[in-house]
Amino acid sequence: KQEVTQIPAALSVPEGENLVLNCSFTDSAIYNLQWFRQDPGKGLTSLLLIQSSQREQTSGRLNASLDKSSGRSTLYIAASQPGDSATYLCAVRRMGGNKLVFGAGTILRVKS
Amino acid sequence: ETGVTQSPTHLIKTRGQQVTLRCSSQSGHNTVSWYQQALGQGPQFIFQYYREEENGRGNFPPRFSGLQFPNYSSELNVNALELDDSALYLCASSLNGRFGGEQYFGPGTRLTVT
Repeated sequence: KQEVTQIPAALSVPEGENLVLNCSFTDSAIYNLQWFRQDPGKGLTSLLLIQSSQREQTSGRLNASLDKSSGRSTLYIAASQPGDSATYLCAVRRMGGNKLVFGAGTILRVKS
Repeated sequence: ETGVTQSPTHLIKTRGQQVTLRCSSQSGHNTVSWYQQALGQGPQFIFQYYREEENGRGNFPPRFSGLQFPNYSSELNVNALELDDSALYLCASSLNGRFGGEQYFGPGTRLTVT
C-alpha cells in the first residue's frame, strides 16, 4: 500500500527566503508525481507534474525534483512571497493506477 | 473552456440524512474522480467514473455511491450520514483518467454533519 509523507508539517519563513518542501513515498512503482497548492477551504491547484521518467520540472519560481529509486521528491520555492502562503500537497499515481495518493501536506506561512 | 465546477459550495446536514453532491467536468473530459478531505489531512480517493461506469473504489462503505451521466457530469451520494462524514469533497476530471490523464480539481463542497 502506497504511503506518502510530507515533511515538515508546517513552516514559517520571512519573505524572500528560498525554501524546500519534502515528500517521500513508499512504493517506487509510480506513474507520476504531482505537487498541488491549496488555499484555506478551497480546492487544489496543480503546480507541477513530473512523469516517472523525468527528474525535474520547473515553473517560474518553483522547481520540483523526483528521485524515484529513493522514493523522494522536493519542491523548491525561490524568493518566497506572502502570496505563497498556503498548504502544499504532493500526490503520487502508481503504474496502471487511477487514483492519486496524497500526503497530509505542508502548511507554509511567508511573513512580510 | 470551462473548468471543473461543483455544487453546492457549502451544505449542512443532520446525522442520518442523505446528501447529493454534484460535479461538472472540464469540457472534453470523460473521467471523474471523487475525493474526501478531512480537516488537516490530504484527500482520500472515494471512487472514479469513466464513461458512466465505476472504475475503481477506495476504502469507503457502500453508503457512498455515485453516478456519471452521458455528458460526463457526476454525482456523489452519501446515505445515513455520520458525523465523520464532515469534510471537503473534491471532484477531479481528466481525459481518459484510467490511463493516467492528469486530474483537474474543482473548488470542492464543504459538508458539515451535525
